[in-house]
Amino acid sequence: AQSVTQLGSHVSVSEGALVLLRCNYSSSVPPYLFWYVQYPNQGLQLLLKYTTGATLVKGINGFEAEFKKSETSFHLTKPSAHMSDAAEYFCAVSRGGANSKLTFGKGITLSVRP
Amino acid sequence: DVKVTQSSRYLVKRTGEKVFLECVQDMDHENMFWYRQDPGLGLRLIYFSYDVKMKEKGDIPEGYSVSREKKERFSLILESASTNQTSMYLCASSSNRRVNEQFFGPGTRLTVL
Repeated sequence: AQSVTQLGSHVSVSEGALVLLRCNYSSSVPPYLFWYVQYPNQGLQLLLKYTTGATLVKGINGFEAEFKKSETSFHLTKPSAHMSDAAEYFCAVSRGGANSKLTFGKGITLSVRP
Repeated sequence: DVKVTQSSRYLVKRTGEKVFLECVQDMDHENMFWYRQDPGLGLRLIYFSYDVKMKEKGDIPEGYSVSREKKERFSLILESASTNQTSMYLCASSSNRRVNEQFFGPGTRLTVL
């Protein structure tokens, strides 16, 4: 079985500040890891993914995440927050391969203060 | 661009009614998924389908059924709607090559009175 933990439900940062959204996972097999973002009144869209290879992955809009196997983590960061980053962010895990499913975390809402 | 459309953005139904939520994708994706999204609970998988006429239960299938008669269309059915099915319903699709890179529709907010 797989699971994802996103601690806290809400993070607030000032515009220009570092964004750090935490994600820890549990998986009995090497995981595939994802971050999805949901802007207000929209569906989710893929922000970035880790499958194999380089553990630091870059996504859209300046976000990146690092897979740390020893810490079972996949935290999402952005050096400088922008007002347009305000959204809900979901971390997800999969075992990969055909017929695999995504297991989502509970999500975390990011607010950006002017 | 991949486009996933859902038949309604907002829907209000009464307890006991039969409810159909429709989802259509235009990228010839093999896989389609139905989730419900509730505050504090994230996304939970209801049903998914890896091929036409195939369906598999997700984590919370009780009270729901699905239909996939055509590759591009995946319907979620609430046989007898109940108030605890008031939620946001999200449809998604993906290709076999990248099954976990899912493309989502805008969602249907269903209220059951």
